Amino acid sequence: GAVVSQHPSWVICKSGTSVKIECRSLDFQATTMFWYRQFPKQSLMLMATSNEGSKATYEQGVEKDKFLINHASLTLSTLTVTSAHPEDSSFYICSARVIQNYNSPLHFGNGTRLTVT
Amino acid sequence: KQEVTQIPAALSVPEGENLVLNCSFTDSAIYNLQWFRQDPGKGLTSLLLIQSSQREQTSGRLNASLDKSSGRSTLYIAASQPGDSATYLCAVRPPPNDYKLSFGAGTTVTVRA
Repeated sequence: GAVVSQHPSWVICKSGTSVKIECRSLDFQATTMFWYRQFPKQSLMLMATSNEGSKATYEQGVEKDKFLINHASLTLSTLTVTSAHPEDSSFYICSARVIQNYNSPLHFGNGTRLTVT
Repeated sequence: KQEVTQIPAALSVPEGENLVLNCSFTDSAIYNLQWFRQDPGKGLTSLLLIQSSQREQTSGRLNASLDKSSGRSTLYIAASQPGDSATYLCAVRPPPNDYKLSFGAGTTVTVRA
């Protein structure tokens, strides 16, 4: 089955530094990947849609200069949290859909736990 | 805007009991509904996907029903086991060409041995 790999699985960084999270589709191509954020005991909130070869589409209220998304290939999207602050501490999850499979479910990575101290 | 609600937020049952998890959504114009399992600190594992034209889907001990007109879905887990302990999330997808899922907050299930 389709596998989405997310790296790192957890990261601790100091306030003011930047952190990059990778999302890879291992055995399929994905023109579109999605980045979600999840706070404890809350639902997943869509942050942005990552499109291969073009700019990401951000949801309302998500700062595009804060959360930089790059989708340089059909198997890799990256999310960079710039100048991270403690309020950015959260669980970030990416998902991808199989290209040219219109009815396929979305496949999710294992998430990245970001802690900003 | 689509709102997805899951009740109860938490559930604890003895092993062997059947589980019933509820999901409701406000906008019935959906393309499909998906149930996921999430273990602590982990990502999401897809359990069942029901297309809007379907009434139910089954996989092993899992059965999910969908009543689109009333905006409800139910996930049944038969003969629960301690390994079923996890958070279960439902998500709805809007009509075609839009893959933005709207998630419920989940039901955290504990199955006691």
